[in-house]
Amino acid sequence: QVQLQESGPGLVKPSQTLSLTCTVSGGSISSGDYYWSWIRQPPGKGLEWIGYIYYSGGTSYYNPSLKSRVTISADTSRNQFSLRLNSVTAADTAVYYCARDLERAYYFDYWGQGTLVTVSS
Amino acid sequence: DIVMTQSPDSLAVSLGERATINCKSSQKILYTSNNKNYLAWYQQKPGQPPKLLIYWASTRESGVPDRFSGSGSGTDFTLTISSLQPDDFATYYCQQFNTYSPWTFGQGTKVEIK
Repeated sequence: QVQLQESGPGLVKPSQTLSLTCTVSGGSISSGDYYWSWIRQPPGKGLEWIGYIYYSGGTSYYNPSLKSRVTISADTSRNQFSLRLNSVTAADTAVYYCARDLERAYYFDYWGQGTLVTVSS
Repeated sequence: DIVMTQSPDSLAVSLGERATINCKSSQKILYTSNNKNYLAWYQQKPGQPPKLLIYWASTRESGVPDRFSGSGSGTDFTLTISSLQPDDFATYYCQQFNTYSPWTFGQGTKVEIK
């Protein structure tokens, strides 16, 4: 059974960088069959896909609305992938989820439990 | 960008009744090369991540009760819960994939007890 778990600071100051890590168990992020994504949900609002990393070929792809501020990377030795979001504002306050998408399936079958990140001074 | 619009925003239903949620995309999401609509439905309860119910518009995820069904093609899609159970009161989201506007979600439909 695949499990994903987000970790990272719950509070980030405005203009700083938000950094989160997703640890995957029960499956390898380097298997090449999956897109590993970050998705966020502001409190009381809907879901927004942030971006993915696809280990095979080492490619990543980002939501155009966030592209200038986002980096997603992977550490295969730890079976983790990470999110960095620069220059955060209060609008980036959200529950951040990591999730898995089977290549060419285009839906998210496994999700982490989510972690709330608040941007505040 | 492809915009997904769900209706209604909220729905009050009695136990055992049918619930129908609609999802309309601003562009067709049918891939004619393989005749697949990349449209998924999720259920989310407070404090939990979304749970996949339906993918490719009408394929039920393993373990999802058969009272959940999905239909539609092109731009118009529907999630139907045939006989609401206590565990079904939640918020439901549709999600599409398109090469030029990947992975966008509807705004959500909250199903409440009548």
